[in-house]
Amino acid sequence: QKEVEQDPGPLSVPEGAIVSLNCTYSNSAFQYFMWYRQYSRKGPELLMYTYSSGNKEDGRFTAQVDKSSKYISLFIRDSQPSDSATYLCAMTPRGAGKSTFGDGTTLTVKP
Amino acid sequence: DSGVTQTPKHLITATGQRVTLRCSPRSGDLSVYWYQQSLDQGLQFLIQYYNGEERAKGNILERFSAQQFPDLHSELNLSSLELGDSALYFCASSVGGDRLFFGEGSRLTVL
Repeated sequence: QKEVEQDPGPLSVPEGAIVSLNCTYSNSAFQYFMWYRQYSRKGPELLMYTYSSGNKEDGRFTAQVDKSSKYISLFIRDSQPSDSATYLCAMTPRGAGKSTFGDGTTLTVKP
Repeated sequence: DSGVTQTPKHLITATGQRVTLRCSPRSGDLSVYWYQQSLDQGLQFLIQYYNGEERAKGNILERFSAQQFPDLHSELNLSSLELGDSALYFCASSVGGDRLFFGEGSRLTVL
């Protein structure tokens, strides 16, 4: 079993929809939770960074962490065609160290 | 622009050959990470260096090796190449080890 499981997708939504992307994990040592966006096999770009349980909002993006359930989510409001990309969740244990990535969910937002 | 530079961007070579991929981290970042991304797999962690010393190792093949130099740039050496080594190789750098900043990747094709 993988340490990080990500909903595989692909996901296709109309422009303006609310998108929910999800990951679960098994390692309770994970302390830092990130979402990266990757366009067309380009380098992943850090989108959201959270520490501990709770919500963090940045514009149209909200990252949610539930450590008790070992579950994290990324919500995208008012989705745009420019949001079409692969989204990767990633987690890092306490004391830093290597990040473990989910396999990614490919999102297509249709105009 | 993440500030992480990788060269070459594309590389085509034959089985059995050896190649070297180069990475310059963001200014001030002491940690360098190497990841492999194949078409059918997510980001696989290979190895991490911190200020010239190996800090963590992932599923890196014995045919692969890396090092980080005093000026903090890093090189990933891939030898006795096989068809299955064809992939995108990403370098990332970090200050604290949680948030990673990725380069644009080196696309390796082994024929």
